[in-house]
Amino acid sequence: DGGITQSPKYLFRKEGQNVTLSCEQNLNHDAMYWYRQDPGQGLRLIYYSQIVNDFQKGDIAEGYSVSREKKESFPLTVTSAQKNPTAFYLCASSLEESNQPQHFGDGTRLSIL
Amino acid sequence: AQSVAQPEDQVNVAEGNPLTVKCTYSVSGNPYLFWYVQYPNRGLQFLLKYITGDNLVKGSYGFEAEFNKSQTSFHLKKPSALVSDSALYFCAVRNTGTASKLTFGTGTRLQVTL
Repeated sequence: DGGITQSPKYLFRKEGQNVTLSCEQNLNHDAMYWYRQDPGQGLRLIYYSQIVNDFQKGDIAEGYSVSREKKESFPLTVTSAQKNPTAFYLCASSLEESNQPQHFGDGTRLSIL
Repeated sequence: AQSVAQPEDQVNVAEGNPLTVKCTYSVSGNPYLFWYVQYPNRGLQFLLKYITGDNLVKGSYGFEAEFNKSQTSFHLKKPSALVSDSALYFCAVRNTGTASKLTFGTGTRLQVTL
């Protein structure tokens, strides 16, 4: 089945630690996205990538980093500089055309120990 | 700047009754509009989209949405609600420019009761 796989489903971070969230897609989509979801705030865009080896900051990129070395993969690192990382993180992908819907993974819930 | 407003945090409806989840938007130029549904601890699932053409768009699971340009609205509707429709619904808008981002509303929780 084609889709987006996020792992792990749950993740715990200690103070001062960087953690990496995995996102893999086999939909052959060019564009990939990372969103953060907090209760009552909808989804906020962290980073997005429209092509391999290129990515752009979204609305809340501070404290996060990404890479796009392969078309299928778009990992997100939550660094120690992100002081409030507890949230539900969603990865999405889409065809490049703006009239196409985004397809989402099932998310990673990050909590602080 | 583009924005989406979902004025109701929660909508309650009895099973079998029609449901409406409201969405208004603001965008420069022509919009692409989307509805998504989210079940607990899951990602968003695409329901339907408006690109151009007929103002009434039909989507998955019996949902439909009506695009109203003069009122800048894109309300989600279903003629007969099911308990299994209970979930969080998101409206999203994107400018027709290829470099534009997708902006989401804050979500509306739909509760369908027996």
